[in-house]
Amino acid sequence: ETGVTQSPTHLIKTRGQQVTLRCSSQSGHNTVSWYQQALGQGPQFIFQYYREEENGRGNFPPRFSGLQFPNYSSELNVNALELDDSALYLCASGTSGSTDTQYFGPGTRLTVL
Amino acid sequence: DQQVKQNSPSLSVQEGRISILNCDYTNSMFDYFLWYKKYPAEGPTFLISISSIKDKNEDGRFTVFLNKSAKHLSLHIVPSQPGDSAVYFCAAGIMNRDDKIIFGKGTRLHILP
Repeated sequence: ETGVTQSPTHLIKTRGQQVTLRCSSQSGHNTVSWYQQALGQGPQFIFQYYREEENGRGNFPPRFSGLQFPNYSSELNVNALELDDSALYLCASGTSGSTDTQYFGPGTRLTVL
Repeated sequence: DQQVKQNSPSLSVQEGRISILNCDYTNSMFDYFLWYKKYPAEGPTFLISISSIKDKNEDGRFTVFLNKSAKHLSLHIVPSQPGDSAVYFCAAGIMNRDDKIIFGKGTRLHILP
């Protein structure tokens, strides 16, 4: 067990709705990264937060946004949901500069109908 | 355009034999590489990594080989055990570049009794 938790486990939304996914990182970690894993694909980097500020972003539109809080928790918000947003969303916490010690949570399975 | 490619979606290996998982990459800027293992309903777990200044890294039953000229790396598991059955992701990154990791699509390894 990595000590990284995510909620909810599963979620069903309809097109156009907004969703907030939550992640609780390991104590002492100062980075949190979010990944999207579509069926049959590897995880794709959405963005990383370091000390509560965005610190790098992958090829995702602005309707994907995030927050990192001082208590090691973070959020991924997705507005105007599209069918292609259906995926497993993973968060990973770690220490800046030590990528091989990123710890992944179990993920949130989002289904958009 | 996939920068990290795992061309074998699945692989079956007899218990006790060697498992070899392959990975190719296209971006010559990558300077470190990682392998993750993923069980169903869990997040990816870090397995082993290698820096581009090395051509081999070993950790117990797991060895990663890097061939920079061919832009190819492989993970060797010997001897293979039933608990090794999982999806294995190859990933790559650029040091000090916001810890963004690019994942391959994964290879599902089945260890046969």
